[in-house]
Amino acid sequence: NAGVMQNPRHLVRRRGQEARLRCSPMKGHSHVYWYRQLPEEGLKFMVYLQKENIIDESGMPKERFSAEFPKEGPSILRIQQVVRGDSAAYFCASSPSTGSNQPQHFGDGTRLSIL
Amino acid sequence: DQQVKQNSPSLSVQEGRISILNCDYTNSMFDYFLWYKKYPAEGPTFLISISSIKDKNEDGRFTVFLNKSAKHLSLHIVPSQPGDSAVYFCAACRQLQGAQKLVFGQGTRLTINP
Repeated sequence: NAGVMQNPRHLVRRRGQEARLRCSPMKGHSHVYWYRQLPEEGLKFMVYLQKENIIDESGMPKERFSAEFPKEGPSILRIQQVVRGDSAAYFCASSPSTGSNQPQHFGDGTRLSIL
Repeated sequence: DQQVKQNSPSLSVQEGRISILNCDYTNSMFDYFLWYKKYPAEGPTFLISISSIKDKNEDGRFTVFLNKSAKHLSLHIVPSQPGDSAVYFCAACRQLQGAQKLVFGQGTRLTINP
């Protein structure tokens, strides 16, 4: 009865390195969303994916950020050449469909710290 | 462009009393609204939602009210319990081209005092 699983829970990177964040949706859920939360702010939408497809990436920075949700395995949010401003909590959510009243269920997040 | 606003960063309520958390939005195209509760170092947990065609939804101690003309919704918790102490996020959803993007408010930190 696992919920949305994210790993790692904490990730420390130096400026210029790459960060890879993983998300396994709830069983039976085929829709994955990534959100970013800066300190003392609400969550901001980044990208919405279904298996092997990016449906909406309007909230994701055009450079250095990419996301995928392969046919097998978890969804990956990848940040290349990280900068200090990338320090945040990154949350993944999943839902079974896009129908109304299908709430998204969130993982516990990955806290990314850039040194 | 803050489409969803929670103007109270914090709220303190005595145990047993009613907690009322407020949320305002600007986009009349939102389809439904949700409230999430968040403890430190955890992800948001879904609490309750309401469709834009309704004005009230109740689930146990939690009731959400929607006033579309005022673009305002509120979450009532009664009676409040110490375990309700958390950050509460209001979120609005608009389904567009298959996407179900949530737009979150900044959150309100609720503290229930014994």
